[in-house]
Amino acid sequence: KAGVTQTPRYLIKTRGQQVTLSCSPISGHRSVSWYQQTPGQGLQFLFEYFSETQRNKGNFPGRFSGRQFSNSRSEMNVSTLELGDSALYLCASSLGVWGRKSYGYTFGSGTRLTVV
Amino acid sequence: DAKTTQPNSMESNEEEPVHLPCNHSTISGTDYIHWYRQLPSQGPEYVIHGLTSNVNNRMASLAIAEDRKSSTLILHRATLRDAAVYYCTYPRYNIGNEKLTFGTGTRLTIIP
Repeated sequence: KAGVTQTPRYLIKTRGQQVTLSCSPISGHRSVSWYQQTPGQGLQFLFEYFSETQRNKGNFPGRFSGRQFSNSRSEMNVSTLELGDSALYLCASSLGVWGRKSYGYTFGSGTRLTVV
Repeated sequence: DAKTTQPNSMESNEEEPVHLPCNHSTISGTDYIHWYRQLPSQGPEYVIHGLTSNVNNRMASLAIAEDRKSSTLILHRATLRDAAVYYCTYPRYNIGNEKLTFGTGTRLTIIP
């Protein structure tokens, strides 16, 4: 089956610009979460969506936002880009937690964002 | 947030078993323990997860301590392709708190 697809794979933007990243989860997965990975901070949680609702948000400024569509595809947006936003942005999908059972997460290959 | 402690790095010989430890003393009774690994230039890859009893799949085995405060990921026969950073974590079981918190992980080096 198809995995988690993230587009684009690579992106170069200028400070002050905004960027939109896309994530298509595995078919049937309703939970989509986003992570930022940098050499200094490691993997950090950005936010998680389930059935178009944001259920949880990490400690990132309001410049980082996201949304999920009815087909579970998700986008994240970063406005007013700063040099420190250069990172690998990862999307993960999961069936989510149903009852007392937990499911594993499938990650995409990420979008490498460079801000110059 | 989930708090885990793992050794920064480990080495193992090819074709030998590897035991990767993880301490998670603040885990609650309903949190599942997850393991992921990340190869260079790739996103993390799901390895295995479990709640109480030991778990096996085609990639690895997960041994969970009786008090659930620690677990061990077991690669039965390491290959060069197993060289990666391994993370253990546990999503908190609360609707509205579904996220993975990653520590620094264990960098596993496989010696040919």
